[in-house]
Amino acid sequence: DAKTTQPPSMDCAEGRAANLPCNHSTISGNEYVYWYRQIHSQGPQYIIHGLKNNETNEMASLIITEDRKSSTLILPHATLRDTAVYYCIVSKGGGADGLTFGKGTHLIIQP
Amino acid sequence: DTGVSQDPRHKITKRGQNVTFRCDPISEHNRLYWYRQTLGQGPEFLTYFQNEAQLEKSRLLSDRFSAERPKGSFSTLEIQRTEQGDSAMYLCASSTRDLKGEKLFFGSGTQLSVL
Repeated sequence: DAKTTQPPSMDCAEGRAANLPCNHSTISGNEYVYWYRQIHSQGPQYIIHGLKNNETNEMASLIITEDRKSSTLILPHATLRDTAVYYCIVSKGGGADGLTFGKGTHLIIQP
Repeated sequence: DTGVSQDPRHKITKRGQNVTFRCDPISEHNRLYWYRQTLGQGPEFLTYFQNEAQLEKSRLLSDRFSAERPKGSFSTLEIQRTEQGDSAMYLCASSTRDLKGEKLFFGSGTQLSVL
């Protein structure tokens, strides 16, 4: 699987939009961009994934650049419960096709 | 609660002892995964099952580790002759797959401490 680059940590004020960047310059045409997050002492939680179109669900929005070399996860109205480590992963299909977690971005929501 | 369930949540053992962890996946999911996570690192893939068949094992899974999934339902992960380096969080996940890819649902993990 292609590797991703994420900032190790970010802060965001409660109620503001949190924008988490991810670089994946070596992504191949059939690889998806996945986002998971892990709140302290819990297992990772699936957030969203996409191939090339922007995606939105009840948790977040995923914006993928046209060249697919980078993406941004947007949490529209961050709350204190969004404090977590966020993992950006590129994978052909998800689990069995390879889901390699890096160190992620530790997002801290400030009150 | 119909999520992935892991038991126990915490396990403390002495070096050289054997330990076994259990995972109950979401009932309609036919894939089940085991991951290991050490402090400050992301989860690392260990092995996965499609129904009762173990289809892939990481090189991280030494001969002291064995996983089973009898009848394609719950799974167990056993570590024999534990070593201090085995101390980690052991995570189980089950998955659902559609045309757009696969989503993993993780349990809360078993925290193993080897003294």
